[in-house]
Amino acid sequence: KQEVTQIPAALSVPEGENLVLNCSFTDSAIYNLQWFRQDPGKGLTSLLLIQSSQREQTSGRLNASLDKSSGRSTLYIAASQPGDSATYLCAVSGAGNMLTFGGGTRLMVKP
Amino acid sequence: DTEVTQTPKHLVMGMTNKKSLKCEQHMGHRAMYWYKQKAKKPPELMFVYSYEKLSINESVPSRFSPECPNSSLLNLHLHALQPEDSALYLCASSLGGPSGSGETQYFGPGTRLLVL
Repeated sequence: KQEVTQIPAALSVPEGENLVLNCSFTDSAIYNLQWFRQDPGKGLTSLLLIQSSQREQTSGRLNASLDKSSGRSTLYIAASQPGDSATYLCAVSGAGNMLTFGGGTRLMVKP
Repeated sequence: DTEVTQTPKHLVMGMTNKKSLKCEQHMGHRAMYWYKQKAKKPPELMFVYSYEKLSINESVPSRFSPECPNSSLLNLHLHALQPEDSALYLCASSLGGPSGSGETQYFGPGTRLLVL
């Protein structure tokens, strides 16, 4: 059974810092990995999707990498802003497009 | 239009009530999903519909009854729920291609359910 772990569980940084969120998974037989953002009480917003054949994806200040063989992904956020404060979830896609989510990293960016 | 809508946004129900959650998308997606998310926990898959047919049921209790009347609409009928069923219920959709794997899932804002 696929297990997804995110470290750290919570992170507080001053505005302007670059930061890295980590995600690891136990079964490397994945189709893709997605990073989502979730604001309190809200739904999920897809940030980046990396197909299993890809190594990284970039969108604005966000860069996600994938090392499928070692079961790891990182989400790099450059020049963090208070508006980046949210919970960040990674999810891996298995057969049948079933997503398995990690526990999330709660990010607080202080002005 | 990349939007998945869910109604109602909030729902309070007693344990003897019958209610329904509704999810709609107009992106032409043929796969739709229900997830349950407890507070401070990640979403957990409940059901998957592919081309209006139930393809995955993750051992969900029968007090939750999904329905897919057409390719744009997904319902979740609720009956005799327990207080521990209180959670955020999220709907998602994806293209639903031949292999059905590796597709981006688009999530709705969720329905926050409280069972008293």
